Amino acid sequence: DIQMTQSPASLSASLGETVSIECLASEGISNDLAWYQQKSGKSPQLLIYAASRLQDGVPSRFSGSGSGTRYSLKISGMQPEDEADYFCQQSYKYPNTFGAGTKLELK
Amino acid sequence: QVTLKESGPGILQPSQTLSLTCTFSGFSLSTYGMGVGWIRQPSGKGLEWLANIWWDDDKYYNPSLKNRLTISKDTSNNQAFLKITNVDTADTATYYCARPAYGLLDYWGQGVMVTVSS
Repeated sequence: DIQMTQSPASLSASLGETVSIECLASEGISNDLAWYQQKSGKSPQLLIYAASRLQDGVPSRFSGSGSGTRYSLKISGMQPEDEADYFCQQSYKYPNTFGAGTKLELK
Repeated sequence: QVTLKESGPGILQPSQTLSLTCTFSGFSLSTYGMGVGWIRQPSGKGLEWLANIWWDDDKYYNPSLKNRLTISKDTSNNQAFLKITNVDTADTATYYCARPAYGLLDYWGQGVMVTVSS
């Protein structure tokens, strides 16, 4: 199985601060990488797919980058509604695997 | 508009079989490229992909569940199903169904909580 190592496990950001979350795959995944946001008590929602493509309706302050084994999610200007858990997921090979998640809180 | 909704027993005892139903709208499992996937999440923990079924009846399973999973579909009624045999407390989780599109999961259901307890 492809292991997805996500970091950090948690972080706290001030309003307007730029934050980054990273995922490291145990082998190359050819940009088959998605990012999801999960707010408390809700189901996950797709933010980014194909490593860098923004899902329709997602604010442009969210962006994704990376290649090979290293990928990142950036939030340019933390907003109160961004407080949530974030997960990466590889779909390059079965079984599809998720990162362990990052808990983002507003400072 | 794509929607998905899970249903299940709520609570069941160890060694029983868990049967879950995903009822969806806004797409068809008879359409080329369409699929339904199942993912679960224990309370306060991460996401675990379980299985996908595709329009052509192709099926993929997470091998970590060691042949306990069976995914199926009823195309006419826009439903997909997941069975997990021989459950134990480690199967306690919220179970989601979602639409996989080129690997990514673009629409998710609200989830159904399942508790395994004696």
